[in-house]
Amino acid sequence: GAVVSQHPSRVICKSGTSVKIECRSLDFQATTMFWYRQFPKQSLMLMATSNEGSKATYEQGVEKDKFLINHASLTLSTLTVTSAHPEDSSFYICSATNRAVSGNTIYFGEGSWLTVV
Amino acid sequence: AQKVTQAQTEISVVEKEDVTLDCVYETRDTTYYLFWYKQPPSGELVFLIRRNSFDEQNEISGRYSWNFQKSTSSFNFTITASQVVDSAVYFCALMANNNDMRFGAGTRLTVKP
Repeated sequence: GAVVSQHPSRVICKSGTSVKIECRSLDFQATTMFWYRQFPKQSLMLMATSNEGSKATYEQGVEKDKFLINHASLTLSTLTVTSAHPEDSSFYICSATNRAVSGNTIYFGEGSWLTVV
Repeated sequence: AQKVTQAQTEISVVEKEDVTLDCVYETRDTTYYLFWYKQPPSGELVFLIRRNSFDEQNEISGRYSWNFQKSTSSFNFTITASQVVDSAVYFCALMANNNDMRFGAGTRLTVKP
């Protein structure tokens, strides 16, 4: 079964509203989670590194005020797309590292399809 | 800087043909991991393999095989006797010490019956 769960898997929101996507590690603690965005027919691009108990680290070109990341616990990171616009429509996917497993095993969530209308 | 190049944007083969997907990577780290993922239309990433930089042994898993060549910084993926169900986008990825993963552009494989 999935060890990293994302919710919702699909969401449609109106332009100008905010939407929150959750990423949970189900049976391990993840001090670090990563958020990726994938536009249609493109690759996965790292948006930010989510650090438990501290501010997220954003990749160049990613607006931190638009994509709010909160990693309040060792098993949950949230990505909030604020004032969403149609160009934010994309596939968002998170990953988490289980450091308790040899080699720092990476697990990906199932992904979330965001459509802004 | 870390970079992964998948030069083949799309590949189309007929069922039962063998197909090789190329992956070339760049990194200054001496310790790193290489991955291949399959992404069907539903979007989820299906893990196929992970290789660490110190293990250059080639690997075979059923119809899948991987050729890791540090000398050419390549980690190619071969599907033998391809099947229609193999149709998907395949991503090669690189992860170094900071644990964030960098993906190649992906190769869209279409296997026709």
